Amino acid sequence: NAGVTQTPKFRVLKTGQSMTLLCAQDMNHEYMYWYRQDPGMGLRLIHYSVGEGTTAKGEVPDGYNVSRLKKQNFLLGLESAAPSQTSVYFCASKPSSTDTQYFGPGTRLTVL
Amino acid sequence: TQLLEQSPQFLSIQEGENLTVYCNSSSVFSSLQWYRQEPGEGPVLLVTVVTGGEVKKLKRLTFQFGDARKDSSLHITAAQPGDTGLYLCAVEVGSGNTGKLIFGQGTTLQVKP
Repeated sequence: NAGVTQTPKFRVLKTGQSMTLLCAQDMNHEYMYWYRQDPGMGLRLIHYSVGEGTTAKGEVPDGYNVSRLKKQNFLLGLESAAPSQTSVYFCASKPSSTDTQYFGPGTRLTVL
Repeated sequence: TQLLEQSPQFLSIQEGENLTVYCNSSSVFSSLQWYRQEPGEGPVLLVTVVTGGEVKKLKRLTFQFGDARKDSSLHITAAQPGDTGLYLCAVEVGSGNTGKLIFGQGTTLQVKP
């Protein structure tokens, strides 16, 4: 039981490049979330999903897209990366019955 | 403007000291969560407080929810180096049981041996 895993762990992009971050959970959780964490700002919600095939915007969705084609996976895409998207990205999941979110180890993204 | 204001932002203390960190807001919440995040890892939920005035204890950590459910505190007794980390408070926002969380900016705690 791996919990929540994130791929890759580190990535460096040039401005304008695109990439996809993968989050996978093996706990059969219905809900999944993408956050970004910047110094002095805690975590901010980018997008979330309450079930397979559904997604919704969070607090800071601009510049990001997401997809939830399978229940266990939640993908975060950056179509044209900008230096302002340099951050640590965390994925989380939770069952619909509780309020406990389980976080992955994070992806550190640098956009030059 | 932050919905949740945490203080202090940084705290560096010696092993064995006591400390309190605060999470304040002008809004009322149905519940409030506390997380701890260690360097290079994701946050881990410590506790959820749901009732005004509620006190919960987790070993040397004591969590309190304000009577008006607008604020919370975390008190650590006899801090140890293993308590080092980022402490975050969070509340659920919006309707429909979506689990959308808003986090405070965090308190970074360093406990020196």
